[in-house]
Amino acid sequence: DVVMTQSPPSLPVTLGQPASISCRSSQSLEYSDGNSYLNWFQQRPGQSPRRLIYKASNRDSGVPDRFSGSGSGTDFTLKISRVEAEDVGVYYCMQVTHWPPYTFGQGTKLEIK
Amino acid sequence: QVQLVESGGGVVQPGRSLRLSCAASGFTFSSYALHWVRQAPGKGLQWVTLISYDESNKFYADSVKGRFTISRDNSKNTLYLQMDSLRAEDTAVYYCARGGIGDDWAYFDYWGQGTLVTVSS
Repeated sequence: DVVMTQSPPSLPVTLGQPASISCRSSQSLEYSDGNSYLNWFQQRPGQSPRRLIYKASNRDSGVPDRFSGSGSGTDFTLKISRVEAEDVGVYYCMQVTHWPPYTFGQGTKLEIK
Repeated sequence: QVQLVESGGGVVQPGRSLRLSCAASGFTFSSYALHWVRQAPGKGLQWVTLISYDESNKFYADSVKGRFTISRDNSKNTLYLQMDSLRAEDTAVYYCARGGIGDDWAYFDYWGQGTLVTVSS
């Protein structure tokens, strides 16, 4: 199974400041078509997960442009350019290249400092 | 708009069975693969199982293989998860999530609100 490792586990951020979450995979996520099939999800307190980013860098419809994804192969990053109060929650990366099983990172809890 | 609504959760004793349902609307249900994903209390997300659009392919996490069965009724736009021989470690919120169409079964672009399963004596 592909192991997904996120860091940091907890991320205190001041409102208006940037935030960055790292996700590393135990195997390259690059598929034969050249894409890395890596999703990012946001889970606000008490809510279901919401997909933010797919194929490493494609932002979902309705996701604010302060969210961006980058990376390929085994190293990926989710960046928030200016954190807002509504961004509080847990962020997960998930690989969908090598399956089954599909595997998630352990999560990064973003909180306001 | 796409909606996924899970039901069927509850408290069940170890070794017993439970069946979850996920009612879908707002998209062509019969064209999409579908998943179940679970989240133990205070823990992260764990993929459980996948079913293709026509039920011809099913995949399971090792932790539930042989105990859980995924199925769907495309005439009722409903996904099911039959859970047998339940264990305490199966306690979790269970989410259904939309997969994809064609060769890509892993959209995970829409999720239900989840249903809580508690396995306890």
